[in-house]
Amino acid sequence: DIQMTQSPSSLSASVGDRVTITCRASQNIDIYLNWYQQKPGKAPQFLIYAASTLQFGVPSRFRGSGSGTEFTLTISSLQPEDFATYYCQQSFTTAYTFGQGTKLEIK
Amino acid sequence: QVQLQESGPGLVKPSQTLSLSCSVSGDSVSSDLYHWNWIRQPAGKGLEWIGRVSGSGSTNYNPSLKGRVTISLDTSKNQFSLNLRSVTAADTAVYYCARESHILGYCGGVSCYFYYLDYWGQGTLVPVSS
Repeated sequence: DIQMTQSPSSLSASVGDRVTITCRASQNIDIYLNWYQQKPGKAPQFLIYAASTLQFGVPSRFRGSGSGTEFTLTISSLQPEDFATYYCQQSFTTAYTFGQGTKLEIK
Repeated sequence: QVQLQESGPGLVKPSQTLSLSCSVSGDSVSSDLYHWNWIRQPAGKGLEWIGRVSGSGSTNYNPSLKGRVTISLDTSKNQFSLNLRSVTAADTAVYYCARESHILGYCGGVSCYFYYLDYWGQGTLVPVSS
């Protein structure tokens, strides 16, 4: 299995802050990396594919970057609706695996 | 607009088989453009991919589920289903179905396909308890 490790596990921030979440893969996954956002009691929502390409309709304050084994998700100016849990997921192999999640909370 | 909806029993006993269906509207499960996935999430924990089925019926499964899983299509009902055998309390989770799409891109100058889960059902909680 390819293990995906996110850091931090939780993060407190304020509206307007810039935050960065890191996702590390246990082996080289090129840019086969997706990001999802999940709000409490809801299904995950797809944000980014190929490490950095935003899904249609995702605000431009979201930015993904990285390749190989290290990836980041940056939200440039937090909005109230961005407080949620974020997951990375590798699609390099069809035994898909997710990171453990990063919970973004309001400070 | 694509919509997915999970359905199944509200409770499963240990050692029995968990069976869920996912009804799809706005798309055909037999389309070769997509795969149809199951993902689960124990309470307060992260996401675990269970497996997927293509529009032609070919499947991929999470090796960690050790042969307990079967995912199949029912094209007459435009549904796909999950069977998880010999369940224990550790299988208690919210189960999601999701559509997987793909897009052509470039990886180091070579064309490649990127796969992602773009539409999800709302999820259904399946407790495993006697």
